[in-house]
Amino acid sequence: EAGVTQFPSHSVIEKGQTVTLRCDPISGHDNLYWYRRVMGKEIKFLLHFVKESKQDESGMPNNRFLAERTGGTYSTLKVQPAELEDSGVYFCASSQELDFLGGGEQFFGPGTRLTVL
Amino acid sequence: SQKIEQNSEALNIQEGKTATLTCNYTNYSPAYLQWYRQDPGRGPVFLLLIRENEKEKRKERLKVTFDTTLKQSLFHITASQPADSATYLCASLDSNYQLIWGAGTKLIIKP
Repeated sequence: EAGVTQFPSHSVIEKGQTVTLRCDPISGHDNLYWYRRVMGKEIKFLLHFVKESKQDESGMPNNRFLAERTGGTYSTLKVQPAELEDSGVYFCASSQELDFLGGGEQFFGPGTRLTVL
Repeated sequence: SQKIEQNSEALNIQEGKTATLTCNYTNYSPAYLQWYRQDPGRGPVFLLLIRENEKEKRKERLKVTFDTTLKQSLFHITASQPADSATYLCASLDSNYQLIWGAGTKLIIKP
């Protein structure tokens, strides 16, 4: 069974440019999460999809970030325009329905390392 | 604010010894704590979960404890091996049902 995949693995962009990150969750996982880790800090929650609906997007830093999950399959996270403080590693994770609140395992992708110059 | 803290300093352990990592939580009472392993360039991998009503949980060479009085979880690796070298992360749901994380402790097992 394929795990969670993310694309690209690395992205280096100039301040003001746009970047789109993609996450393909494990097939059949309704829950999809985005997290971010800024260097030297802990992983921070960004948002949570249940199928195609945003369950919780309270962790999104500001309106320069837009996440979508069309058809409840893969998800994209767009940063427009990118700022220096957006640099970090963006992780995507997925889990099966109803497991999470009970402590269910989240499966993580390898992350996308975003560098904004 | 609700927070999870882990010792940010790297922990160096001789092969064969027991490694013990600490996770402290403040300003909330988590229903459970999860432990993850993360290798360089990879995402976190779930290892173990311990609930607030469990004092101890084991899985092969891993053991996790949960002390609600001390607001602390300890993660033990017995008979440690160089392959156990990684960063270990503690996480739990906060009151907003979001997973919050410690910064992780880097474990180095020396042959």
